[in-house]
Amino acid sequence: GQQLNQSPQSMFIQEGEDVSMNCTSSSIFNTWLWYKQDPGEGPVLLIALYKAGELTSNGRLTAQFGITRKDSFLNISASIPSDVGIYFCAGRPMDSNYQLIWGAGTKLIIKP
Amino acid sequence: NAGVTQTPKFRVLKTGQSMTLLCAQDMNHEYMYWYRQDPGMGLRLIHYSVGEGTTAKGEVPDGYNVSRLKKQNFLLGLESAAPSQTSVYFCAAGLAGTDTQYFGPGTRLTVL
Repeated sequence: GQQLNQSPQSMFIQEGEDVSMNCTSSSIFNTWLWYKQDPGEGPVLLIALYKAGELTSNGRLTAQFGITRKDSFLNISASIPSDVGIYFCAGRPMDSNYQLIWGAGTKLIIKP
Repeated sequence: NAGVTQTPKFRVLKTGQSMTLLCAQDMNHEYMYWYRQDPGMGLRLIHYSVGEGTTAKGEVPDGYNVSRLKKQNFLLGLESAAPSQTSVYFCAAGLAGTDTQYFGPGTRLTVL
């Protein structure tokens, strides 16, 4: 089946640093979504993107829908301790009506 | 307004036993989904429903059955549990015509 390549798998950051992560696909997607999951909880929607080239912000988070429609990026500026968690990208392929494909996640860890 | 709730939160089964996981949503969303999440992997869709009385297979439907008799409830059944079904199960709900999905807190299932 289709897969999303999400990178990096994990990131060790210091408080105040900016963070970047991305997802790539071999096929064209109509929608890109970014979620955050805290331990023991379900994923929470951060940003949804619907048009190629779209750039959307949610507080310190900014995500972009790649112009090729095969990738998406999430940036976090000035990270804080509560940013730790696992970030997932998800997308709806062009040939799918309802099903999302999910990346394996990027784990954000704060350096002590 | 509880959003999406899942029952139970934890369950341990023996191989061959059956059980039903319940998902309930009070958001009046048309779409509902069942996913499983395994370590190091993204969410994988088991079954989904686009409306009351309708269900469809997702990426990994084998060994599971579902029913959507009421709009607000989506049940996931395991007829004969196997150790390979040890996982965390998430239910999600979404509005018709959108790709955004809102998740419950998950059910952690262990099959011995």
